[in-house]
Amino acid sequence: SQTIHQWPATLVQPVGSPLSLECTVEGTSNPNLYWYRQAAGRGLQLLFYSVGIGQISSEVPQNLSASRPQDRQFILSSKKLLLSDSGFYLCAWKAGTNTEAFFGQGTRLTVV
Amino acid sequence: GQNIDQPTEMTATEGAIVQINCTYQTSGFNGLFWYQQHAGEAPTFLSYNVLDGLEEKGRFSSFLSRSKGYSYLLLKELQMKDSASYLCAVGGAGGFKTIFGAGTRLFVKA
Repeated sequence: SQTIHQWPATLVQPVGSPLSLECTVEGTSNPNLYWYRQAAGRGLQLLFYSVGIGQISSEVPQNLSASRPQDRQFILSSKKLLLSDSGFYLCAWKAGTNTEAFFGQGTRLTVV
Repeated sequence: GQNIDQPTEMTATEGAIVQINCTYQTSGFNGLFWYQQHAGEAPTFLSYNVLDGLEEKGRFSSFLSRSKGYSYLLLKELQMKDSASYLCAVGGAGGFKTIFGAGTRLFVKA
């Protein structure tokens, strides 16, 4: 069966520090991969998605970036965090286009 | 543009039926999804509608009218564990992206 791993679960980082969140998927090949952010009490904002290795589509201009160095690995990064980057970050994968998304457990990031 | 609207909060009684509505205006449509999200947890998939009509899955049913840009999620025989946020989401053009609404927080009271 397919599983998705996302870590860490919680993270407290100072303003201006770098960020690296990692997500890996097991049990499937060539998944579509996604990074979402959810502010408190709000819906999910799509940040990045990837349909293959090295292919990244950015949805929202910001100081975050994403990379997909391997088929089942998706990384969210920042060189310098802002207070506004605080939120609940969710990685997700989909097997195809018109299919449901499966989410990792999320990372709660607090920038202080 | 992309716009998905659903009520912010709803309250219902244990054992009752509740209907959560969702209206959408999106550029491209590749199906409508409903997800459940408990506080502090990741969303989990509930249902998918791509054709008009009602899809039933146990206590949960979902309805879609593409011409009206409208969907609803129907929860029957409510249980306390159904207290959660329910997210309406639309598959965008090409089907790669899923656009989420802000979610409806459902409170189930005894």
